[in-house]
Amino acid sequence: NAGVTQTPKFRILKIGQSMTLQCTQDMNHNYMYWYRQDPGMGLKLIYYSVGAGITDKGEVPNGYNVSRSTTEDFPLRLELAAPSQTSVYFCASIRGQGGETQYFGPGTRLLVL
Amino acid sequence: KNQVEQSPQSLIILEGKNCTLQCNYTVSPFSNLRWYKQDTGRGPVSLTIMTFSENTKSNGRYTATLDADTKQSSLHITASQLSDSASYICVVSEGGSNYKLTFGKGTLLTVNP
Repeated sequence: NAGVTQTPKFRILKIGQSMTLQCTQDMNHNYMYWYRQDPGMGLKLIYYSVGAGITDKGEVPNGYNVSRSTTEDFPLRLELAAPSQTSVYFCASIRGQGGETQYFGPGTRLLVL
Repeated sequence: KNQVEQSPQSLIILEGKNCTLQCNYTVSPFSNLRWYKQDTGRGPVSLTIMTFSENTKSNGRYTATLDADTKQSSLHITASQLSDSASYICVVSEGGSNYKLTFGKGTLLTVNP
């Protein structure tokens, strides 16, 4: 199993541009998450999904959108990028409810200039 | 508001020494408490997961304790190694079907030779 994969690893965006961060997991997990991590801060939840077709907002959803058309994929869309969205973005997944292990992708480093 | 507070913010120890990291939380309802290790530039990796009824759990040289009454947890690292240098994150899961996790800011551990 590849686990959780994310692309790209690093991207520079200009203010106002848009992009999609890709996330795929091959473990047939139901729950998927997008977090952002700013320097010296804890991970903050952007959006999460409990299954295909079901998504919900987390703590910091403004400026982002998600979709979950399949179990495997959970892309994060940035519309009209702003410098405040400069961060490291992590995708993660858990199989289901209960005390199960959460698996993280390697992260996408985004710089908005 | 659900919160997870960790101390100390950073810690420097010599190789071979032991150390203990602290975590206090106010998450309710409580489902489980997790400790993650995050190496620089990588996604977090799960070390331990404890439910309400578990007081202690070990993973090699890592031992986590949980006091659900006082809402405190600790992570003890025995015979530290240079590879233990990382950020250690306490994460608390809310009960219920939406399965949200609240992350602490982490303790940055540096192990020097």
